Amino acid sequence: ELKVEQNPLFLSMQEGKNYTIYCNYSTTSDRLYWYRQDPGKSLESLFVLLSNGAVKQEGRLMASLDTKARLSTLHITAAVHDLSATYFCAVDRARGATNKLIFGTGTLLAVQP
Amino acid sequence: SAVISQKPSRDICQRGTSLTIQCQVDSQVTMMFWYRQQPGQSLTLIATANQGSEATYESGFVIDKFPISRPNLTFSTLTVSNMSPEDSSIYLCSVGTGLAGSNEQFFGPGTRLTVL
Repeated sequence: ELKVEQNPLFLSMQEGKNYTIYCNYSTTSDRLYWYRQDPGKSLESLFVLLSNGAVKQEGRLMASLDTKARLSTLHITAAVHDLSATYFCAVDRARGATNKLIFGTGTLLAVQP
Repeated sequence: SAVISQKPSRDICQRGTSLTIQCQVDSQVTMMFWYRQQPGQSLTLIATANQGSEATYESGFVIDKFPISRPNLTFSTLTVSNMSPEDSSIYLCSVGTGLAGSNEQFFGPGTRLTVL
């Protein structure tokens, strides 16, 4: 059974600081997705990583995928308050499986002024 | 990306009753899914809604409890049957386009259900 773990589960950081959220998964997959969820809202797609070594950047966020290590990272550069949200990674259940995503535990990010 | 709406946005229901949640997409999509997000938790896939055939349920979810309809490529419903307080959750539908080899999914706004 595919398991997806994120750490940390909660992250409180100051504005201007850098930090990384980690997403580990337990079985082979080469497709991983990052989502953002604001309180009381739905999920917003942030990044789609479709191969080993893929790196995507948008503003202060950068995501990468290492399929051999079964690890994805979401790096936050010079955090601002607007980045406060819960971040989820999601992994395709198996190579070739049809659109079934397994979500990570989520990381609640709170950026303090 | 597709525009997805859900009805109702929230509801408070009594134990033992049923609630049907609607999911409408503004374009035809092949894949539609239903998820549950319990308070403070991650998302769990309930089932894949298949157009023209029965839904495919994940382990721990059964058709009698969560019947799903998918009459066409833009619409699906999820019913939460014989509700108990443990069913209090956010229910989200999502769609996948399958474009460019990606299984990226886009989510509706969710239905927040409270069962008393």
